Amino acid sequence: QTVVTQEASLTVSPGGTVTLTCASSTGPVTSGYLPNWFQQKPGQAPRTLIYTTSNKHSWTPARFSGSLLGGKAALTVSGVQPDDEADYYCLLHYAGAWVFGGGTKLTVL
Amino acid sequence: QITLKESGPTVVKPTQTLTLTCTFSGFSLSSSGVAVGWIRQPPGKALEWLALIYGNDDKRYSPSLGSRLIVTKDTSKNQVVLTVTNVDPVDTATYFCAHREYYSFDYWGQGALVTVSS
Repeated sequence: QTVVTQEASLTVSPGGTVTLTCASSTGPVTSGYLPNWFQQKPGQAPRTLIYTTSNKHSWTPARFSGSLLGGKAALTVSGVQPDDEADYYCLLHYAGAWVFGGGTKLTVL
Repeated sequence: QITLKESGPTVVKPTQTLTLTCTFSGFSLSSSGVAVGWIRQPPGKALEWLALIYGNDDKRYSPSLGSRLIVTKDTSKNQVVLTVTNVDPVDTATYFCAHREYYSFDYWGQGALVTVSS
């Protein structure tokens, strides 16, 4: 069974930069895994931030960026704001099916 | 404007079959590359991808749950239906449907909480 692994939790200071990563149990993550990133706040549906590794939606704040880093998918938040405190999930594609990571709880402190 | 909304029972008994409906507007499931997916989230836990259906009726399922899931569509009603057979308390979750296009799950419903309990 495929497992997608994210950091359980990260803490960042306001104005700082943080990188969240997403690893696959099958090996290095490439663009072919079509990485998606989502932000979810308590009681809300997830909101998509990034798709196909690094593409942003019209509503994605410029401080969020996606990339591949050291065999993993990565989400970097530059100039973190208090409103960025949330759970973040990555989603990878495997031959037609998709698998979510376990999520990263980002604390802004 | 794309919107989706999940509907179905709030409580289901163990071993029963759960049927959820996603009613959408603002897009056509007949369009090339467009699909509707189902995702669930147990209370306090991570998201879990369940299933996907395309306009050409191609379907994809989570390998871990595939034999218990059935996804169908009614294009004329703008609806997608997810059926989960033989439910267990571990199936208690908020169930979301989402629009997928260009490999992005970009628009989501508000979610429907389903509790499996006798």
